[in-house]
Parts: sequence; structure tokens; C-alpha cells
Amino acid sequence: DAGVIQSPRHEVTEMGQEVTLRCKPISGHDYLFWYRQTMMRGLELLIYFNNNVPIDDSGMPEDRFSAKMPNASFSTLKIQPSEPRDSAVYFCASSSLAGGFNEQFFGPGTRLTVL
Amino acid sequence: GQSLEQPSEVTAVEGAIVQINCTYQTSGFYGLSWYQQHDGGAPTFLSYNALDGLEETGRFSSFLSRSDSYGYLLLQELQMKDSASYFCAVRGGTGFQKLVFGTGTRLLVSP
Repeated sequence: DAGVIQSPRHEVTEMGQEVTLRCKPISGHDYLFWYRQTMMRGLELLIYFNNNVPIDDSGMPEDRFSAKMPNASFSTLKIQPSEPRDSAVYFCASSSLAGGFNEQFFGPGTRLTVL
Repeated sequence: GQSLEQPSEVTAVEGAIVQINCTYQTSGFYGLSWYQQHDGGAPTFLSYNALDGLEETGRFSSFLSRSDSYGYLLLQELQMKDSASYFCAVRGGTGFQKLVFGTGTRLLVSP
């Protein structure tokens, strides 16, 4: 398996622009997580899905952030409009009920810079 | 809510043994995980403890004491490649599937 795939790997945009981050989880995994990592706040969970359904979005910072999972193999995290404080590394991770949730598999991340 | 505390930085020399401690507070507890992250990389899973005691995986071991809300990661026979950040993460609270990560411990291994 190729592991969790994220795109783009790097994104530089200007304040006010829409940003869309993409994630393909490991095939067969039924949980998908979006995290954000910054020096100030560390690694924080934004939202997670189970079988394509959002379960907990309490970590989403504000209405500018939205996430979807239209099918088992694809998820997006959208920021509209983007702000400089959104600059961070965004990770997608997946895990499996069969695996007992002991391990989350992280993608390589998307480094977002908002100017 | 949940909170975790771990040292910000630890230094050691090649071949040595180092212990990274983690204390946590959570309203409900399912288990404690450890992840490694190299600079510019993604977190990768190292170990998981749901029950008290020591879990050993090669050069790495992880310990949990639920009564003390405490765990540690033990790294033996340190190698230069072990220089990385190490995060403890608690699974607890309202979501069995959710992980709350500590702020990370940066380990610097010198020759």
C-alpha cells in the first residue's frame, strides 16, 4: 500500500484566497483524521470521520474551515478565506477499526503558507 | 478536557539510554501512545499502552502507570537517527478514537 497520500505537499497563497487540501487514506481504513501542526499550538485534531461521516469537528477553528469526505478514498479540507494565521502543516491520518485504533497512519503533510 | 506534559528537550550521546516522561490528565482513559517525528516528516507510531506495565519493541520500550497518570518512553542503544521529536498522546475523554497529543520532546543525540 502507498500509505496515506496528501496533496499538495506545499501551498503558498495570499490572504483571502481559498485553499483546498486533499487526502487519500489507506485503502480499507474506516477512520480519517485531519490535524494541524504549528510551533505555538503543537499537533491538534481538527476533525475526524468514520465511514465518511464527520464524527467530531470540535477542533475546527472557525467557520472558514470545512471538511468533506465524499467517499471512502478521498477527503478535502478547505479554508475560505485563508488568513496568515492559518499557516501550518496540515496532516491527514487514517486508522482501522480492525486494527483496534492503536495506530494512526499519517500522510506526509501539506505545508501551507498564507502571505 | 485533556492535557499532557513532557519535557521540551532531552540530550544524550550515542549508545546511551534515555527516558522521556509523560504525565497526563484526562476525564476518561483508554490508552497512551508514542509517536516519533523527524524534522520535516510525519509522525510515525512507536507504541501503545492500554494496561499498566512495560511494552518492549526492539530498542524502544514504553511504560504506563494508570494510577499515576504517567508513562514513559525508553530508548536504548541510542543512534544518531533517533534524533527527532517524540510525542505522547492520550486516547480518552469523549472519543475513543481521538488522540490528544503532548507538546513533544526534542531528542538530540550527539556522537
